[in-house]
Amino acid sequence: GAVVSQHPSWVICKSGTSVKIECRSLDFQATTMFWYRQFPKQSLMLMATSNEGSKATYEQGVEKDKFLINHASLTLSTLTVTSAHPEDSSFYICSARDPGQAVGYTFGSGTRLTVV
Amino acid sequence: SQKIEQNSEALNIQEGKTATLTCNYTNYSPAYLQWYRQDPGRGPVFLLLIRENEKEKRKERLKVTFDTTLKQSLFHITASQPADSATYLCALDNSSASKIIFGSGTRLSIRP
Repeated sequence: GAVVSQHPSWVICKSGTSVKIECRSLDFQATTMFWYRQFPKQSLMLMATSNEGSKATYEQGVEKDKFLINHASLTLSTLTVTSAHPEDSSFYICSARDPGQAVGYTFGSGTRLTVV
Repeated sequence: SQKIEQNSEALNIQEGKTATLTCNYTNYSPAYLQWYRQDPGRGPVFLLLIRENEKEKRKERLKVTFDTTLKQSLFHITASQPADSATYLCALDNSSASKIIFGSGTRLSIRP
């Protein structure tokens, strides 16, 4: 079945630094990928839709200059948290849909970001 | 405003019983509704999708119903097992957009 690989699985960084999270579709091409954020015991909140070869579409309230998204190829999307602050600490998850599959979205295993 | 609500934050039932989870939505007209399972510290895993013109969908011990008049989906796990303990999320498409929006989730615990 479709596999989405997300890296790193966890990262600790200092306030003010930037962190890049990668999301790869391993056995299918994804023109669109989605980035979610999840706080403890809360549901997934869609942050942005990553579009291959064009600008990402951000949800209301998400700062595009803070959460930089690059979808440079059909199998790779990256999310960079710039100038991270402790309040950015969260669980970040990407997803994509395999067009060859009839239904459902495939999610990465998530990245636990802790900003100290 | 648009809302997706799952009836219980947590549900605790005895092994062997049927677990029933509810998903209600307002101000959406989804073409389909999906259910996912999420284990702690992991990404969600797709379980079932039901379309607006379908009343019921089954997969092994899982059953999903979809009532577009009530704007509600029910998710059933029959003969529940401790291994079924997880958070279950409903998700629906946002009008004509190709993205999905998640409900708040129900944390299901099956006690032996």
